Amino acid sequence: EPEVTQTPSHQVTQMGQEVILRCVPISNHLYFYWYRQILGQKVEFLVSFYNNEISEKSEIFDDQFSVERPDGSNFTLKIRSTKLEDSAMYFCASRGPGPNQETQYFGPGTRLLVL
Amino acid sequence: RKEVEQDPGPFNVPEGATVAFNCTYSNSASQSFFWYRQDCRKEPKLLMSVYSSGNEDGRFTAQLNRASQYISLLIRDSKLSDSATYLCVVNFGNEKLTFGTGTRLTIIP
Repeated sequence: EPEVTQTPSHQVTQMGQEVILRCVPISNHLYFYWYRQILGQKVEFLVSFYNNEISEKSEIFDDQFSVERPDGSNFTLKIRSTKLEDSAMYFCASRGPGPNQETQYFGPGTRLLVL
Repeated sequence: RKEVEQDPGPFNVPEGATVAFNCTYSNSASQSFFWYRQDCRKEPKLLMSVYSSGNEDGRFTAQLNRASQYISLLIRDSKLSDSATYLCVVNFGNEKLTFGTGTRLTIIP
């Protein structure tokens, strides 16, 4: 069964450093998302991406964040200058055409720790 | 404000018992409803979509009450492997999913 993959599984960084989180969505999917989950809290939407542009973003997704689809398979989330409060699990998700087109499928996540 | 509310639990239930969770949502124009399951430190995984007519998948039954704006999940004959956090998730008609805090379920042998 096709699945969303994410790398790295864990990332430790110093405050102020840039990080790039990588995702490979399911191959025929057209809509891509990033969510985050701070430890002990609910999953929160960050951004959605379709047709090579952001379709919606939350108030969390400020100027420090950016997304890119650099090629036909990868979807990345960049945090330009990390803060302590960026420590969280970051999930990529995708959805696409087909009978379950409303369903978003999540990757295993990247656990980011900012020191 | 578009919100999804769940009882966080924990629910500690003996193996074989039936357990039910409810969830309420704030916007009557909401379009899609889901139950996801999340194991500790793992990603959310779709358990089932929830339809107005109600739907069943094996031991799991989901119901939607649009008039009262709540969604329910019933698990029959619970098994140890059902121990997880159950996330109520709503699409309010835009691109994003809005998650509840989740209800933690532990099945006791």
